[in-house]
Amino acid sequence: DGGITQSPKYLFRKEGQNVTLSCEQNLNHDAMYWYRQDPGQGLRLIYYSQIVNDFQKGDIAEGYSVSREKKESFPLTVTSAQKNPTAFYLCASSILYGTGGTDTQYFGPGTRLTVL
Amino acid sequence: KQEVTQIPAALSVPEGENLVLNCSFTDSAIYNLQWFRQDPGKGLTSLLLIQSSQREQTSGRLNASLDKSSGRSTLYIAASQPGDSATYLCALRPSYDKVIFGPGTSLSVIP
Repeated sequence: DGGITQSPKYLFRKEGQNVTLSCEQNLNHDAMYWYRQDPGQGLRLIYYSQIVNDFQKGDIAEGYSVSREKKESFPLTVTSAQKNPTAFYLCASSILYGTGGTDTQYFGPGTRLTVL
Repeated sequence: KQEVTQIPAALSVPEGENLVLNCSFTDSAIYNLQWFRQDPGKGLTSLLLIQSSQREQTSGRLNASLDKSSGRSTLYIAASQPGDSATYLCALRPSYDKVIFGPGTSLSVIP
């Protein structure tokens, strides 16, 4: 069954701690993305990766870090430098350079991070 | 700078009514536009994708249109059902490597 998995579903962090959110896909997609969603707001792009061992900052990358050592995996680390990390985090993937703009994004179920 | 807006922010309709959700953007140069549905506390589910060269796409009771010249996309839902209650987001891709999401419209269909 193809898809994107994110874990954990809920995550609690104490102030000053780093935490890592997992994202795995078995869709054989080249591109992967991390978004942050706050109540009443649209999704904002944190980081994206188009190929293994390469990634680009999105609009709100400060306080976050990522790695892309395998095509299937794109973990996101929320560092202590992120001042307001409580949010809903969504991972997505897509093919790259879809013919005629057909590259649909597929989303995981999300991780809700709360800072205690 | 490309901006995406969705009006209204929230909409409540009686079951069976046809409705239109709006998505507006400021720059007509787009790669594609995608409509998503999000249930509370869940990820996004893709509904329809319209390529830059297309004017509309249909899937069941859903029809999405794209008018680049006016900077507008609409999602038409026919014969609405309580199960359609969710937040609907449009996502515009100005190029293959960028995505801009609208803030969403929260739809409530009353039985």
